[in-house]
Amino acid sequence: DSGVTQTPKHLITATGQRVTLRCSPRSGDLSVYWYQQSLDQGLQFLIQYYNGEERAKGNILERFSAQQFPDLHSELNLSSLELGDSALYFCATGPANTEAFFGQGTRLTVV
Amino acid sequence: GQQLNQSPQSMFIQEGEDVSMNCTSSSIFNTWLWYKQDPGEGPVLLIALYKAGELTSNGRLTAQFGITRKDSFLNISASIPSDVGIYFCAGLWGGNTPLVFGKGTRLSVIA
Repeated sequence: DSGVTQTPKHLITATGQRVTLRCSPRSGDLSVYWYQQSLDQGLQFLIQYYNGEERAKGNILERFSAQQFPDLHSELNLSSLELGDSALYFCATGPANTEAFFGQGTRLTVV
Repeated sequence: GQQLNQSPQSMFIQEGEDVSMNCTSSSIFNTWLWYKQDPGEGPVLLIALYKAGELTSNGRLTAQFGITRKDSFLNISASIPSDVGIYFCAGLWGGNTPLVFGKGTRLSVIA
């Protein structure tokens, strides 16, 4: 158990809908990363926050957004969902820009 | 953006054999990380490397941070069936840059 909690574990939703994925970091971790992993693919970096501020952005679609709250948990919002958005979404957290620990992921299925 | 080249893409080995995989980058990193991912699970951090030339072990796993800071390798000795999975390298420069991942090495162990 990495100490990083992601909810929900599974999510099935219809095209066009909006969902919110939640990530609770390990105690004391200020940095949070979000990654998307499609079937048998690598980890695609979406966005990073550090202590509430956006630090780096990857190839994150405009339909996707994220934020990190004062209690350091983070949420990834995915809207106008398409079939191709079906994937595993991971968050990883760490104390600073050093190692990062992954949650178990949220498996999103868009039907 | 920064890219990591991880090789080999996949390997099939006999139980008991040693395994070696590596990662190279066109850019230098200040931290190299190695993760293992089991199907449907989040990547688990195996080894973290923070200094050029550093050699670190974790049980049967040994990883090194290349002197040029542009490469790293991971060795697994005396492989066992539970070593099966996908191994990812990741590099971190620091500051406002994200953790960058290789595409992974899929390891299969034949008993």
